[in-house]
Amino acid sequence: DAGVTQSPTHLIKTRGQHVTLRCSPISGHKSVSWYQQVLGQGPQFIFQYYEKEERGRGNFPDRFSARQFPNYSSELNVNALLLGDSALYLCASSPDPGAKNIQYFGAGTRLSVL
Amino acid sequence: SQQGEEDPQALSIQEGENATMNCSYKTSINNLQWYRQNSGRGLVHLILIRSNEREKHSGRLRVTLDTSKKSSSLLITASRAADTASYFCATANAGGTSYGKLTFGQGTILTVHP
Repeated sequence: DAGVTQSPTHLIKTRGQHVTLRCSPISGHKSVSWYQQVLGQGPQFIFQYYEKEERGRGNFPDRFSARQFPNYSSELNVNALLLGDSALYLCASSPDPGAKNIQYFGAGTRLSVL
Repeated sequence: SQQGEEDPQALSIQEGENATMNCSYKTSINNLQWYRQNSGRGLVHLILIRSNEREKHSGRLRVTLDTSKKSSSLLITASRAADTASYFCATANAGGTSYGKLTFGQGTILTVHP
């Protein structure tokens, strides 16, 4: 069975541009979460989606948005990119949004903003 | 913001030795999870311990949880060069609206020398 898949693997953008990152959860998982990991730090929670609705949002500006599709895949959008948005963006899936669940992570998308 | 701190920040040992990493957190939790990350890629789930458990084993891994001290430890016995990675603890909070959110520590970089 396929795990969590993310695309693209790497991305280079310039300041002010927009970026869309994509995530496909494990088959049967209906909850998707997004995390940002800056070099040398632990991941930080950005969003959690379940059944196409936002269930939780971390302390990130409105430039960050996401959505979930009927097939439970998800997109993370970041507008007006800043140098500080350079990071590894991780997607995780779980059967439902409950805290009791293990979250399974994809390999991530490494975003470089120049 | 990070939930807590991990100690030590870096650990260097020889193959065959045991490695112990500690994690502290700040809020009431539903569970605490440990993840491994190789070379800045995706996170691999290692073990989950619930708030009503005190110790859990999985292969060469032993995790303890002390909710009165809000701390956990991960012991890797008989370490191998392949265990070289960054290790993160992550907590899932009890209650709240973002109950699927994981809050990560800053991680311990483990290097196992052959």
